[in-house]
Order: sequence, then C-alpha cells, then structure tokens
Amino acid sequence: DIQMTQSPSSLSASVGDRVTITCQASQDISNYLNWYQQKPGKAPKLLIYDASNLETGVPSRFSGSGSGTDFTFTISSLQPEDIATYYCQQYDNLLPFTFGPGTKVDIK
Amino acid sequence: QVQLQESGPGLVKPSQTLSLTCTVSGGSISSGSYYWSWIRQPAGKGLEWIGRIYTSGSTNYNPSLKSRVTISVDTSKNQFSLKLSSVTAADTAVYYCARDRYSGYDFRYWGQGTLVTVSS
Repeated sequence: DIQMTQSPSSLSASVGDRVTITCQASQDISNYLNWYQQKPGKAPKLLIYDASNLETGVPSRFSGSGSGTDFTFTISSLQPEDIATYYCQQYDNLLPFTFGPGTKVDIK
Repeated sequence: QVQLQESGPGLVKPSQTLSLTCTVSGGSISSGSYYWSWIRQPAGKGLEWIGRIYTSGSTNYNPSLKSRVTISVDTSKNQFSLKLSSVTAADTAVYYCARDRYSGYDFRYWGQGTLVTVSS
C-alpha cells in the first residue's frame, strides 16, 4: 500500500492567516491526490481533486499543489468556518485508496 | 442532487457479521459510470477505504479486509450493501457510504455515516 503522511498533525492560526498543510506519499503518485475537509460529527467533504483542481462550490481561498510525492494544501485566509480536520487521499492505480492521518486546524 | 443514507444495526456481537445498506436517492444507482464505496473511521482516528462496487457490479476491496468483506448492489431498491464477517472490537467505527465524481478516484457524495459498535 502507498503510505501517506501529513504535517503538521495540528495547527492553530488566527483568522486571516495563511495556512499550509503538507502531504507526502511513500512513492510517486503523479497528481493522483485529493483533499477533504471534515468537521466534527460530519462526513468528509471533497475540496480539491487531482492535486490542484477546486471542487465546484468550494471557496477560492482553498488551493492545492504538488506532484510526485510532495503535495501542499493552502488556505489563503483562514476563516472561522474552516475549523476542521483536513485529509489527503491518494488514488494511484494500485488500490487500495489510502488517506493521510489528518491535520486538525483550529483558531488561535 | 445525489444523496446517500446508511442504515443497519448499531451494535454487533464479536464474531458475527456486520451488515449495512446505503440507500441512494436523487439518481439511479445503475445509471452512469460510477463507483460506490464504503469507508470507515474509528472514533478519533483517520479514514480507511473498505471497498467499492462499480455500476456494472464489479468490485474492488482493500486487501487488509478482503477476506471478510462483500459489497453488493440491489438495483431494484437503489441500494448497495456491505457485509463484514467475523467482526472484532477493532471494527468499531463510523461507516460511510460514498460515490465518486465520475473518475472513480475520489469521493464527492457521502452519507452522514452510521456508528457500528462491536461488543458483547
């Protein structure tokens, strides 16, 4: 299986701050990476697909980049409603799909 | 707008079989070319993909669970189902059903999730 790591595991930032989360794959996955947001007690929500494409209806302050083994997820200006845990997910041709361990974001 | 809803027992005894159903509304489960997945999340932990079924009925399973998992579809009821046999406490989790956008590689639509506890 392809292993995914994320850093940091948690962060605290102020409203309006730029927030960056990194995700690393254990092998080259090209751009086969998605990002999800999960709020407490809710199902995950797809934010970014194919590493850098914004899902329909998702605010433009969210963005993603990267390819190969190293990926970045950015919130350009943190809003109170962005408090959540964020997960990366790889979909290389070799199943199974795997998720990163998550990054918990809260307000300072 | 596609909607998914999980249902099934919230408590299962160890060694028994966990059975869940996902009811799809807002579209036919047999139309289009979509993958219908099951994903689980133990309390306070991350997400684990269990497996999926394609519109045609073909399946893929996570190798870590493959010997215990069966995913099937009932097009007449617009539902797909999960069976996980020989459960232990380690199978206690919130179970989600989900559907991809159209590529088979992501999860755009999710159910609300259902907590299944394995305990005697």
